[in-house]
Amino acid sequence: DIQMTQSPSSLSASVGDRVTITCRASQGISNYLAWLQQKPGKAPKSLIYAASSLQSGVPSKFSGSGSGTDFTLTINNLQPEDFATYYCQQYNSYPYTFGQGTKLEIK
Amino acid sequence: QLQLQESGPGLVNPSETLSLSCTVSGAAISSTTHLWGWVRQPPGKGLEWIGIIYYTGDTYYNPSLESRVTISLDMSKNQFSLRLTSVTAADTAMYYCARVNLGEGFDYWGQGILVTVSS
Repeated sequence: DIQMTQSPSSLSASVGDRVTITCRASQGISNYLAWLQQKPGKAPKSLIYAASSLQSGVPSKFSGSGSGTDFTLTINNLQPEDFATYYCQQYNSYPYTFGQGTKLEIK
Repeated sequence: QLQLQESGPGLVNPSETLSLSCTVSGAAISSTTHLWGWVRQPPGKGLEWIGIIYYTGDTYYNPSLESRVTISLDMSKNQFSLRLTSVTAADTAMYYCARVNLGEGFDYWGQGILVTVSS
């Protein structure tokens, strides 16, 4: 199985900040990487696919980059609704695997 | 608008079989460009991929669950289902169904259903 490792596991930031979350795959996955957002008590929401493409309706404040084994999610101008847990997921090969999550909290 | 809705019992006895269905509206599960899958999340923990199914009936399962899991399609009801046998307390989780868009990963998710394994 491909292991996905996110860092940091938790992150405190203020409204208006820019934050970056990283995700590393244990082997190359080309650009078959997605980012998801999950708020407490809610289902995950898909934000980004193919490492850098926004899902329909996702604001451009979210951006992704990377290829191979190293990926980043950047969120600009943090707003209260952005504080959530973020997961990366590889879909290069089965079983699809998720990172452990990064909890973004308000400072 | 595509919607997925999980249904099934919220409480299952240990050693018995967990059975859930996902009803899809706004899209056909016979689509050749999508797969349909299940993901679960134990309380307070991260996401675990269970498996997916293609319209042909081909399935791909997480090896950690493969001996106990079956995912199937019911084209007549536009539903797909999950069966997990010999459950234990470790299978207590929120279970989500979701659509996989080829090349894009999961794009639409159900709201989830909490299944507790307890006597």
